[in-house]
Amino acid sequence: DVKVTQSSRYLVKRTGEKVFLECVQDMDHENMFWYRQDPGLGLRLIYFSYDVKMKEKGDIPEGYSVSREKKERFSLILESASTNQTSMYLCASSLLGLGDGNTIYFGEGSWLTVV
Amino acid sequence: DQQVKQNSPSLSVQEGRISILNCDYTNSMFDYFLWYKKYPAEGPTFLISISSIKDKNEDGRFTVFLNKSAKHLSLHIVPSQPGDSAVYFCAASPGSGGYQKVTFGIGTKLQVIP
Repeated sequence: DVKVTQSSRYLVKRTGEKVFLECVQDMDHENMFWYRQDPGLGLRLIYFSYDVKMKEKGDIPEGYSVSREKKERFSLILESASTNQTSMYLCASSLLGLGDGNTIYFGEGSWLTVV
Repeated sequence: DQQVKQNSPSLSVQEGRISILNCDYTNSMFDYFLWYKKYPAEGPTFLISISSIKDKNEDGRFTVFLNKSAKHLSLHIVPSQPGDSAVYFCAASPGSGGYQKVTFGIGTKLQVIP
């Protein structure tokens, strides 16, 4: 079974703190993604990575950075957390090509509250 | 600019009846489409997909229809069950090879009434 594991389900952080969200996948997938989900806005792509040490900006990268030092691990970093980053964060992974039964697999999500 | 639009934020259906969830897209480069289901406090799970070379794909109670000329797709659930109550996301990608950015809609909340 495909497994994407997000290390923290619920976090509360203070404004200005540096926040790390960790994600690990066990399917040897090339692609990894970070999305955030907000009511009325759907799933928005923050960053993605198609290989180790490679990263590409998604639709809303401002205020975030990522790190992919190993194929199975993709970290999302909030350099200085702000209240507008309170959200549900979803990590996902996929093989390089969609279709033929390949799809994007999501983790359970991390609820971040910034106070 | 929303490239994938789900114009109905919510839908209520009686158990046993058909649920029809709609999705429109604007980017003519999209040619691979997916539907995901999401329960509260969980990650989305894949339901069904369709390539632009097809106009229909079926998997059990779930069928996705694609009308390329209208840039419209729909998900049919027959018969609807209370466990189908969830948020459904439509997603689209410009092709299936290599990395292709997947764009999601804002979701439609389906409630199946027993």
